[in-house]
Amino acid sequence: ILNVEQSPQSLHVQEGDSTNFTCSFPSSNFYALHWYRWETAKSPEALFVMTLNGDEKKKGRISATLNTKEGYSYLYIKGSQPEDSATYLCAFLGNTPLVFGKGTRLSVIA
Amino acid sequence: DTGVSQNPRHKITKRGQNVTFRCDPISEHNRLYWYRQTLGQGPEFLTYFQNEAQLEKSRLLSDRFSAERPKGSFSTLEIQRTEQGDSAMYLCASSPTTVGTGELFFGEGSRLTVL
Repeated sequence: ILNVEQSPQSLHVQEGDSTNFTCSFPSSNFYALHWYRWETAKSPEALFVMTLNGDEKKKGRISATLNTKEGYSYLYIKGSQPEDSATYLCAFLGNTPLVFGKGTRLSVIA
Repeated sequence: DTGVSQNPRHKITKRGQNVTFRCDPISEHNRLYWYRQTLGQGPEFLTYFQNEAQLEKSRLLSDRFSAERPKGSFSTLEIQRTEQGDSAMYLCASSPTTVGTGELFFGEGSRLTVL
């Protein structure tokens, strides 16, 4: 059974704080690692799809890194804003369709 | 709106009834996925299609669950003889790639409540 672990489970930060989350996944049979943002009452939206060890991707204030050898990825949010409040999901693609973690629920307090 | 569309958005049913959810993917997307999400958990894979072919169905939770994509366009997920444990958000997603590493485009989900 594939295990994709995310930590922390939830996080409350003040507006302007920077924060980061962790995703750990199996280091074998790796094809890709996805990050999604899921806002309440909306559909999950892809942030990043990462395939290469050492990948670093950035979209505005959000960035992600990937270490496939040790099986982890970090998501960073710089200068959190209330609109960043959402659940952040990572998902591992190996020999099976995407396996999701439980997510990290971020609340940004104005 | 040309995104993934799911209907109904909410369904309340009594235990023992059958329910069917529909998913209209983004046109020209040849892969379509069904996931289920329960409280406190991440989306759990159920099944997926490449055009009209169902490539994986062993993860469907029981033989009460079935899915079809008859013409390679829209898909339906049916749950027969619903149980309270079936209460969840059912998510559909589509992807334009046959390679499998591309991002998934999700619908807003169909929330099922079984009384």
